[in-house]
Amino acid sequence: QKEVEQNSGPLSVPEGAIASLNCTYSDRVSQSFFWYRQYSGKSPELIMSIYSNGDKEDGRFTAQLNKASQYVSLLIRDSQPSDSATYLCAVNDNFNKFYFGSGTKLNVKP
Amino acid sequence: ETGVTQSPTHLIKTRGQQVTLRCSSQSGHNTVSWYQQALGQGPQFIFQYYREEENGRGNFPPRFSGLQFPNYSSELNVNALELDDSALYLCASSDRGPGTEAFFGQGTRLTVV
Repeated sequence: QKEVEQNSGPLSVPEGAIASLNCTYSDRVSQSFFWYRQYSGKSPELIMSIYSNGDKEDGRFTAQLNKASQYVSLLIRDSQPSDSATYLCAVNDNFNKFYFGSGTKLNVKP
Repeated sequence: ETGVTQSPTHLIKTRGQQVTLRCSSQSGHNTVSWYQQALGQGPQFIFQYYREEENGRGNFPPRFSGLQFPNYSSELNVNALELDDSALYLCASSDRGPGTEAFFGQGTRLTVV
C-alpha cells in the first residue's frame, strides 16, 4: 500500500512568519508532486506542482523536492491569516494513480 | 474559478440505491479523475479517465464505475450504496494529460441513510 504521510498538525505560526509543511511518500518511482490548499467545507485548490529535484518558487510559496529522501515540502513566507487552511500533499505514481496525504492544518495567528 | 462544475452539490440517498454524480470540465480537459473524501481525511483516488478510456484505478470495488464523454463531461456511478459511501465526491480535470496539474470542482456531498 503506497503511503503519503503528513503531520496532521495543527501547525500554528504568527502572522508574517514562515510556515514549513512536510510530506514523505513511500513509492520511490513517484513522478509528480502537488500541494493543494483546502479551506473547511471547500474543495482542494492547487498551489504548486513540482516534478524534479530542487526548489520551485511561486510568489510566497516554495516547493522543495528530494526524491532520494522521498520528501517534499512547502514553505509559505510572510504567512497571512488567510493562509489558515489544511494543506494536502499529493503524489502521482507511474500508473496514473494519485495518492493524497491526510493534510496538515495550518493556523496563522494575527 | 476552476472551470470544473459538479452536480448536484448535495444528495441524500438510501442504502442499496444507485447514484450518478456529474462533472463538467472546460473544453480541452482530456483527463478527469474522481475522488472520495471522508471527513478529516485526504481525497482517496477512485479512478481516472483519459480521452474517454479508464486510465488508472484506485482500491475501490467494481460498484464504483465511471464514464467520460466527448464533450469533456464525466460521471461517477455508484451501485448498491452503503452507509460508508457517505462522503464528499470530487472530480478534478486537466488539459495536460495524466499525471499533471488537475483542478477540482466544488464537490458533491453524498449522504447515505
